[in-house]
Amino acid sequence: EEQLVQSGAEVKKPGESLKISCKGSEFSFSNYWIGWVRQMPGKGLEWMGIIWPGDSDITYSPSFQGQVTISADKSTSTAYLQWNSLKATDTAMYYCARMAGSGSYGDYWGQGSLVPVSS
Amino acid sequence: EIVLTQSPGTLSLSPGERATLSCRASQSVSSNHLAWYQQKPGQAPRLLIYAATSRATGIPDRFSGSGSGTDFTLTISRLEPEDFAMFYCQQYGTSPWTFGQGTKVEIK
Repeated sequence: EEQLVQSGAEVKKPGESLKISCKGSEFSFSNYWIGWVRQMPGKGLEWMGIIWPGDSDITYSPSFQGQVTISADKSTSTAYLQWNSLKATDTAMYYCARMAGSGSYGDYWGQGSLVPVSS
Repeated sequence: EIVLTQSPGTLSLSPGERATLSCRASQSVSSNHLAWYQQKPGQAPRLLIYAATSRATGIPDRFSGSGSGTDFTLTISRLEPEDFAMFYCQQYGTSPWTFGQGTKVEIK
């Protein structure tokens, strides 16, 4: 069965950098858009951006453009979400999702990566 | 960007009852590209409905989606105990994709 497995929880301090991962299996990773979604504590879902691992074509949601970096390594079927300098307001659960069709909706989801940022 | 407004914020119902959740868009959703998700505490979202009316793989037929343009509805015909959760709509007709703020279906 198609699966996305995300990296584990990471406790970080403001100003630190971080790269979390999302590894796909049992599907052709290079041929699906992969999306990232933020869920802040007690809040709703927000699309951050999507990537096509085949050629690393990326579309960021305007709210997240310049705030994070999305990348992918098709050789290892892994997508990444990266911060250069974390803020306390980045504290959230981050989900990756396989996007069906032309990068539309998430049909398979990772289990989530919790990122608490606190001094 | 398209703003999705879900109502009500909370729906208090008993098992066996019918649930009707609304999702209204600030402008027409292109090609009725609207999805619904269910999220339980501590879990990732699960896709229920895509293209406004199509059930995702493995989703029971008590879940149904309807609507077009700016008004969409998710209906759960008879609530089972495992259905109580948060529900989100999402449009993917116009970039950037956006979610509604969610409706919580709780046990009365």
